[in-house]
Order: sequence, then structure tokens, then C-alpha cells
Amino acid sequence: QQPVQSPQAVILREGEDAVINCSSSKALYSVHWYRQKHGEAPVFLMILLKGGEQKGHDKISASFNEKKQQSSLYLTASQLSYSGTYFCGTDFAGNQFYFGTGTSLTVIP
Amino acid sequence: NAGVTQTPKFRVLKTGQSMTLLCAQDMNHEYMYWYRQDPGMGLRLIHYSVGEGTTAKGEVPDGYNVSRLKKQNFLLGLESAAPSQTSVYFCASSYSGGLAQYFGPGTRLLVL
Repeated sequence: QQPVQSPQAVILREGEDAVINCSSSKALYSVHWYRQKHGEAPVFLMILLKGGEQKGHDKISASFNEKKQQSSLYLTASQLSYSGTYFCGTDFAGNQFYFGTGTSLTVIP
Repeated sequence: NAGVTQTPKFRVLKTGQSMTLLCAQDMNHEYMYWYRQDPGMGLRLIHYSVGEGTTAKGEVPDGYNVSRLKKQNFLLGLESAAPSQTSVYFCASSYSGGLAQYFGPGTRLLVL
């Protein structure tokens, strides 16, 4: 039931854009996005609900296509501080929460 | 506001020993969660609670027990530790189901 993310890892230069995808084999009703820096706890970025697209902080935004059971996280004009592992997650409208497989993002000068 | 705190930060156990991890939150959140994170893997839900006095199994509950006697505290117990339980344990809380989860700093557990 774990959502699958792609790519597994990506390396960017400062100022470049990136897209991280999150796919589910099961129907999605909402999608969370979190970022975890090395050695730290995950930090909440945003939640997307059915039919919604939300702008997050900095230049990070996301979309949610419930028909395709997919969500995408967009990082524009990446900064060094964007480095970390990004996780999507969902509860499939229940109480159990499932995090995705994770995407490691490295931004280099 | 401390947010979510976890005790201890690091612990080494021998196989068969027991221990309890404590999670505390001061945000008056109803939901609390225990996750484990292994190298190169995502977070997997061990147990969770939807309110004081309630607990439920997550994806990987075997070998763990939990209790939520007070709303602000969520305890994770290992009765007989095994090397397979070597991991980083994160506690999280949320105001309600489906809402943003706020994580504690984690507990690194090494079972020899």
C-alpha cells in the first residue's frame, strides 16, 4: 500500500527546477508532503485535498490528480536549503498513515 | 512551546532487554503516532492513537506495545529487544486524522 515515489534520487544545481512524483495503486483522498534533512526529523510541507492544488512556502508547490492517483511536488529555482529527502504520505481516508518510498534531493552550488 | 519531545535520544540494548520510549506533546493534539525508520527506507507506522486511552496497530506492530494513559503522552515499549529492532524511532502528533503531523527529534536505538 506504500505510495511509490520517483525519481529515487536527483541532483540539481542551484537555480534548477525539479519534480518529484508520488503514485498510489489505491485511491487517494489527500496527500501530504514532508521534507527530512539528514539526521533530523521530517518536517511538514503541505497537504493536498481532492481537486486541490496548494502553494507551499518558498518556491515549492504541488498538484494532486485523484483520477490518476498521483501527486507531484514542484521545486522551482532550487536553493541549497532544499536538499533533503522528500516523502509523500497518505492515510487512504482511514487512520493508518503510509509514507512513500522517498526521494533524495541534493542541490549543489 | 516544546512541540513534540522524545526520551531518550539514544540507547543501546542487549538482545532480550526491555525498554520504554516516551513521547510527549504540548499542542493538545488528539492523534499520536510511532514510526520506525531504517537506513534507506521510509517511515513505517508501528502503532498509533486517536485519543487518550486508545491505541491501534500500524503496519509493523510486532514486538512493540504502546499505551496512551494521558493525552499528552504516548509510550512505546519493547518487551524483549531483538537486533531487528535497531532503528531510529520517531514520534509524531496531529490535531486530528489527516492533518499535518509534527515530529519529535527521534530516538536512535541499537540492539546488540
